[in-house]
Amino acid sequence: KAGVTQTPRYLIKTRGQQVTLSCSPISGHRSVSWYQQTPGQGLQFLFEYFSETQRNKGNFPGRFSGRQFSNSRSEMNVSTLELGDSALYLCASSWLTGTTDTQYFGPGTRLTVL
Amino acid sequence: GIQVEQSPPDLILQEGANSTLRCNFSDSVNNLQWFHQNPWGQLINLFYIPSGTKQNGRLSATTVATERYSLLYISSSQTTDSGVYFCAGYSGGGADGLTFGKGTHLIIQP
Repeated sequence: KAGVTQTPRYLIKTRGQQVTLSCSPISGHRSVSWYQQTPGQGLQFLFEYFSETQRNKGNFPGRFSGRQFSNSRSEMNVSTLELGDSALYLCASSWLTGTTDTQYFGPGTRLTVL
Repeated sequence: GIQVEQSPPDLILQEGANSTLRCNFSDSVNNLQWFHQNPWGQLINLFYIPSGTKQNGRLSATTVATERYSLLYISSSQTTDSGVYFCAGYSGGGADGLTFGKGTHLIIQP
């Protein structure tokens, strides 16, 4: 069974632009969670979608948003990019909600904001 | 949300050595996982272990839920074990996802 896939793997943007990242979960998984990893703040939870509904949201500004489609694929969008948004963005999928089940992570999207 | 502390922050060992990594939680958790992050950034799931003991090859983990800590044991270390090990947990009742520790950076020297 294929693992979690994320596209693109690398991305370079400039301040003020917006970006959309994509995540395809393991087949059959209904939960997709997103995390941001930076050297300073470590791994931080962004949000979780379960059956197309946002279930949980971390402490991030409204510039960070996401959605989930009926096939469980998820996208996250960051608008008006700032230098501090440079990070590795990881998504994870699970059968049940991510807070009660094993989470499986994708390879990540490394975003650089210039 | 909960606080997660990992120790030691850094560990350098020779190939063949054994090691113990520790994770302390500020509150009880009902979802506890250990991950290994490889040099390319991917988090590899090692154990889902909210309580009890599990073993997978040279790796094993024990969680003592009543005392809010978990241990990861690595025996007969290999250079491929190098990387960062994270534990993460969820306490329930809040709006947060998994809370991660800062990780243990393990270097296995040949």
